[in-house]
Amino acid sequence: QSVLTQPPSVSGAPGQRVTISCTGSNSNIGAGYDVHWYQQLPGTAPKLLIYGHINRPSGASDRFSGSKSGTSASLAITGLQAEDEADYYCQSYDSSLSGVIFGGGTKLTVL
Amino acid sequence: QVQLVQSGAEVKKPGASVKVSCKASHYTFTSYGISWVRKAPGQGLEWMGWISPYNGNTHSAQKFQGRVTMTTDTSTSTAYMELRSLRSDDTAVYFCAKKQYSGNNSPFDYWGQGTLVTVSS
Repeated sequence: QSVLTQPPSVSGAPGQRVTISCTGSNSNIGAGYDVHWYQQLPGTAPKLLIYGHINRPSGASDRFSGSKSGTSASLAITGLQAEDEADYYCQSYDSSLSGVIFGGGTKLTVL
Repeated sequence: QVQLVQSGAEVKKPGASVKVSCKASHYTFTSYGISWVRKAPGQGLEWMGWISPYNGNTHSAQKFQGRVTMTTDTSTSTAYMELRSLRSDDTAVYFCAKKQYSGNNSPFDYWGQGTLVTVSS
């Protein structure tokens, strides 16, 4: 059971917009710790998509955006493409555990 | 381009130890921490701990304390992760990842290709 809760799966048609939530608590996201997002394509290493809630690394597509409110964060993907089909993970830090934590992951299916 | 190249797949028996290496290149190795993250079949990502190549300081997740050792060799820009007393549920792909900046909650901006460790009798 992950400390950060993500929906197991989301889906959308090409061109649509989807969001993936990441729900934490007052010892992690709610305490002000940054949220980062990764994309993991099958058989590959995770790739950093969003860091510090809203920032994109150089080279990352602007179809991906992040937001945070209270004890939750969200990743939005606009203009869905077949190549976006992957697992997505959120990351933060938990002061009670004194360590980095990941969400359980969300599998995105492009219909 | 920053690269992290990990050692090859391993098959171990329960109770044995495994040591995975992660060779870094094209950046100043001692300037950024290295974390270790694993992904078991059908499970999500799990953070194991991190090490500072600058001074050797380490911090591991509570779950792995006493069972994991992280080290670095600055002469070869290589990080190592040793996991002892292996169990079947340690079967996973193990990744090393470079921290983007200092601090407990840095994102990981570059990752190794992963090392499959299979624990089976």
